[in-house]
Amino acid sequence: AQKITQTQPGMFVQEKEAVTLDCTYDTSDPSYGLFWYKQPSSGEMIFLIYQGSYDQQNATEGRYSLNFQKARKSANLVISASQLGDSAMYFCAMREYQGRSGGGADGLTFGKGTHLIIQP
Amino acid sequence: DTGVSQDPRHKITKRGQNVTFRCDPISEHNRLYWYRQTLGQGPEFLTYFQNEAQLEKSRLLSDRFSAERPKGSFSTLEIQRTEQGDSAMYLCASSPSGIAAYNEQFFGPGTRLTVL
Repeated sequence: AQKITQTQPGMFVQEKEAVTLDCTYDTSDPSYGLFWYKQPSSGEMIFLIYQGSYDQQNATEGRYSLNFQKARKSANLVISASQLGDSAMYFCAMREYQGRSGGGADGLTFGKGTHLIIQP
Repeated sequence: DTGVSQDPRHKITKRGQNVTFRCDPISEHNRLYWYRQTLGQGPEFLTYFQNEAQLEKSRLLSDRFSAERPKGSFSTLEIQRTEQGDSAMYLCASSPSGIAAYNEQFFGPGTRLTVL
């Protein structure tokens, strides 16, 4: 079973609108972290936001916020007031802090990504 | 410090040749990671160093792959007898020690390998 599922292969959004990118995860580890990265066409992975499994509040970083619903195992990224420069691939990733399943305890497990295109 | 750097940015090689990539992490980071990203997929974890010790290796890391971090600073990833299936973007990331290691992992620009 996939550990990280991103169900939206591509999205088109009008500039200045808010965007929600979906991410669901699967783990039995009680302690884990969830990450979102942006990858523009240049290829570099840019860290956006982090949410720990024990964090009581949803993480926010500027225009980015993470809608963390632990019972549903979802960690959706919300981008407010989208800009043309937001066009990129977006990846959700997880790190499990106690278990050693999948790719290793210290590496991140990534989803397949969502290609976001902001239209003027 | 300008972040994680990788060299070369692009490498084209013929099948059967050996290639070596270099990663320089952020200077105060003692953890270093290698990932591989194929077209249309997210990155996949390959291996991880804490200082000079290689602590974790993925099942994806076949015997043809070897990674080193001899002095706990830069790291090299070597692929021997390259195959066309090795064509991918190879990403390096680093993170600091301590509590920040859990919530920060910064990536370099990657090395794109094409095996002909």
